[in-house]
Amino acid sequence: KAGVTQTPRYLIKTRGQQVTLSCSPISGHRSVSWYQQTPGQGLQFLFEYFSETQRNKGNFPGRFSGRQFSNSRSEMNVSTLELGDSALYLCASSLVSMNTEAFFGQGTRLTVV
Amino acid sequence: AQSVTQLGSHVSVSEGALVLLRCNYSSSVPPYLFWYVQYPNQGLQLLLKYTTGATLVKGINGFEAEFKKSETSFHLTKPSAHMSDAAEYFCAVSESGSNYQLIWGAGTKLIIKP
Repeated sequence: KAGVTQTPRYLIKTRGQQVTLSCSPISGHRSVSWYQQTPGQGLQFLFEYFSETQRNKGNFPGRFSGRQFSNSRSEMNVSTLELGDSALYLCASSLVSMNTEAFFGQGTRLTVV
Repeated sequence: AQSVTQLGSHVSVSEGALVLLRCNYSSSVPPYLFWYVQYPNQGLQLLLKYTTGATLVKGINGFEAEFKKSETSFHLTKPSAHMSDAAEYFCAVSESGSNYQLIWGAGTKLIIKP
């Protein structure tokens, strides 16, 4: 079966701009989580959506937002980009929760210049 | 608050040697424990997990881990390292009945010397 698909794979944006990243989970998976990965901070949890509702949220500013559609596809948006937002953004999907097996996409590499 | 500590940001072993990656956690209740692997420019992939039952867990690619409650540890081992094992390894924990989220360790980069 198809894995988790994240688009785009690479993105270069300018400070102050906004960006939208997309994640298509494995068919049948209802939970989608987003992570920011940087060399200095490791894996930082952004938020989790389950059946179109945000179920959990990490400690990120309000510039980071997300949503989930009825087909479980998810998007995350970052507004007013800062240089420090440069990172690999990973999406993970699971049937019900991250307590079971989570499947990760390859990530979107965002570079803010 | 829960935390996960992975000892050593980088571990270097020779090909054919034993691999030992350390993970200690803090948890007030029996946890779920996971090891994930990340190859360069890839997402993370589940290696193995412990939820309940047998404390020695076998995973993919010849890896295994043992849950030791008294030591609050979940160390990852492989008897004989292969060049293809070079990757970053993450330990994660979630308390059963929690809000389902995982607490992640900082990761350990495994380097295999020929």
